[in-house]
Amino acid sequence: DADVTQTPRNRITKTGKRIMLECSQTKGHDRMYWYRQDPGLGLRLIYYSFDVKDINKGEISDGYSVSRQAQAKFSLSLESAIPNQTALYFCATSAPGTARPQHFGDGTRLSIL
Amino acid sequence: GQNIDQPTEMTATEGAIVQINCTYQTSGFNGLFWYQQHAGEAPTFLSYNVLDGLEEKGRFSSFLSRSKGYSYLLLKELQMKDSASYLCAVTPPGGSAGNNRKLIWGLGTSLAVNP
Repeated sequence: DADVTQTPRNRITKTGKRIMLECSQTKGHDRMYWYRQDPGLGLRLIYYSFDVKDINKGEISDGYSVSRQAQAKFSLSLESAIPNQTALYFCATSAPGTARPQHFGDGTRLSIL
Repeated sequence: GQNIDQPTEMTATEGAIVQINCTYQTSGFNGLFWYQQHAGEAPTFLSYNVLDGLEEKGRFSSFLSRSKGYSYLLLKELQMKDSASYLCAVTPPGGSAGNNRKLIWGLGTSLAVNP
């Protein structure tokens, strides 16, 4: 079983719909992150959480919201999806400490028509 | 400002050696990561450098020069499966001990290994 699980893996939806992407982890890490990846733009941080009561905006949080339901669960919502939110979305986790790498889920490919 | 530069694309031959460079200009530094990402897949951790010098791990080695703001990833005995994107990421200093701030990511270097 994957240590960091994202659902769904693929989603096609229409403009204006509300979408939730879910992430769960069995690594016991406190820190969780949501990124989007677009060709030519690399990985961009949307939101991150260092523990259950901590939520922080990343560089591109407009149009997104998150919920940290438990240490193991971190969900990303698009309240009203728009086509330029079409991207590959990754959830990642890490343990505390500057030398600790981030561990990524397999990604969700989201297409908004 | 915060900036990381990597070449966009590189090509190499199976069995050869390739060096992928990364230069960074960041307000503080607390370590540098290299990740590998195959097309459509998740990034996976390769190496971490915080001190100057070379870290060797099998066919892959990573080098860091903090004074020059420079790192490279060295891949030896290239295999076709090494065709992937290689991402460099820098950790800025944290505000307290053990506080791992969000990473600053480069755009990645797409490596194509040809037979």
